[in-house]
Amino acid sequence: GENVEQHPSTLSVQEGDSAVIKCTYSDSASNYFPWYKQELGKRPQLIIDIRSNVGEKKDQRIAVTLNKTAKHFSLHITETQPEDSAVYFCAGTGGSYIPTFGRGTSLIVHP
Amino acid sequence: DAGVTQSPTHLIKTRGQQVTLRCSPKSGHDTVSWYQQALGQGPQFIFQYYEEEERQRGNFPDRFSGHQFPNYSSELNVNALLLGDSALYLCASSKGGWVTEAFFGQGTRLTVV
Repeated sequence: GENVEQHPSTLSVQEGDSAVIKCTYSDSASNYFPWYKQELGKRPQLIIDIRSNVGEKKDQRIAVTLNKTAKHFSLHITETQPEDSAVYFCAGTGGSYIPTFGRGTSLIVHP
Repeated sequence: DAGVTQSPTHLIKTRGQQVTLRCSPKSGHDTVSWYQQALGQGPQFIFQYYEEEERQRGNFPDRFSGHQFPNYSSELNVNALLLGDSALYLCASSKGGWVTEAFFGQGTRLTVV
């Protein structure tokens, strides 16, 4: 099955800096890669996703890049704000379409 | 537009008991997936229901079972509860049997004592 590794586990940045979270996956048949943001005590919220036929997708301050050859994808947040502080999860679907989540990255944005 | 709703929000059960959790999908969605999220971990896929059938299943024992009703709502049942079943149980809804563009409910916090 799919195996998704996520790094770093904790990321601390100053407000206004950029943040990058990286994930690798094992199943070359994976074709859908969502990113979720989970604030403390709240539900995971889909913030951006990318499909395997696209190399990059951007939505305002958030972008995701996908390198199918290397089997890794990354979340980029520019001009970070304190409200970006949360746990971020990446996921891959694998050839069986069963979503496998990474272990999460706790992003802390200091004002 | 109501999003994904789950009930109850919190539940305390004794080891060996059985529990039923409920999920109503987002309007327009017909697919429900269930996840278990342990503290400090990412959600783990339990199973998915589409057209009232279990379509995909993760690596969970048969003690975990489910059901989907004609109105697309779903139940997760766990029998013979173990202490290790304590977790946040999330359901996510999507369309057409896919797991893409899935929206999560707020979860049910299950504590087994």
